[in-house]
Amino acid sequence: DAGVTQSPTHLIKTRGQHVTLRCSPISGHKSVSWYQQVLGQGPQFIFQYYEKEERGRGNFPDRFSARQFPNYSSELNVNALLLGDSALYLCASSSPDIWDTEAFFGQGTRLTVV
Amino acid sequence: AQSVSQHNHHVILSEAASLELGCNYSYGGTVNLFWYVQYPGQHLQLLLKYFSGDPLVKGIKGFEAEFIKSKFSFNLRKPSVQWSDTAEYFCAVIPNTGGFKTIFGAGTRLFVKA
Repeated sequence: DAGVTQSPTHLIKTRGQHVTLRCSPISGHKSVSWYQQVLGQGPQFIFQYYEKEERGRGNFPDRFSARQFPNYSSELNVNALLLGDSALYLCASSSPDIWDTEAFFGQGTRLTVV
Repeated sequence: AQSVSQHNHHVILSEAASLELGCNYSYGGTVNLFWYVQYPGQHLQLLLKYFSGDPLVKGIKGFEAEFIKSKFSFNLRKPSVQWSDTAEYFCAVIPNTGGFKTIFGAGTRLFVKA
């Protein structure tokens, strides 16, 4: 069975540019969450989407946005990139009729901003 | 602000030693609690979870955790570690506020000497 897949795996961008990261959840999972993991820290919650609607948002600036598509895949967009946006971006999916269920994580997208 | 504290950032043990990793959270209401593990080169995966009921939770690979509500703690234990337990361990909390925000601790890197 395919797990959560994220693309690309690695990305290098210049300050001021924008970036789009993609995530495909496990088949049947309707909920997708995005996290930012900076080196030496735990994942920081950015967004959760369920059935194409935002269900939760972390403490991130408006430069960060996301959406979920009818097939439950998701995109995370970051505008006006800063050096501090360099991190591993994780996507997790969960099946979801209850909110407190296990999250299945992808391998992440390593974003480097130069 | 809600937070999760993991007391040890790095732990080094010999095989067969006992393990206890501390986790405390700051939220006064009902919570769901998780321990995730990340083995070298792999993605985050669930070790165990607590939602309600018996505060002593058993997970995969011989791990267990005890929820002590009065201490806001959810410590992870294993009686006898193996070299293959070398990994990074993350404690995570979902406060039952009707939201979907998962709060992770900073992680503990465990190295088990063969």
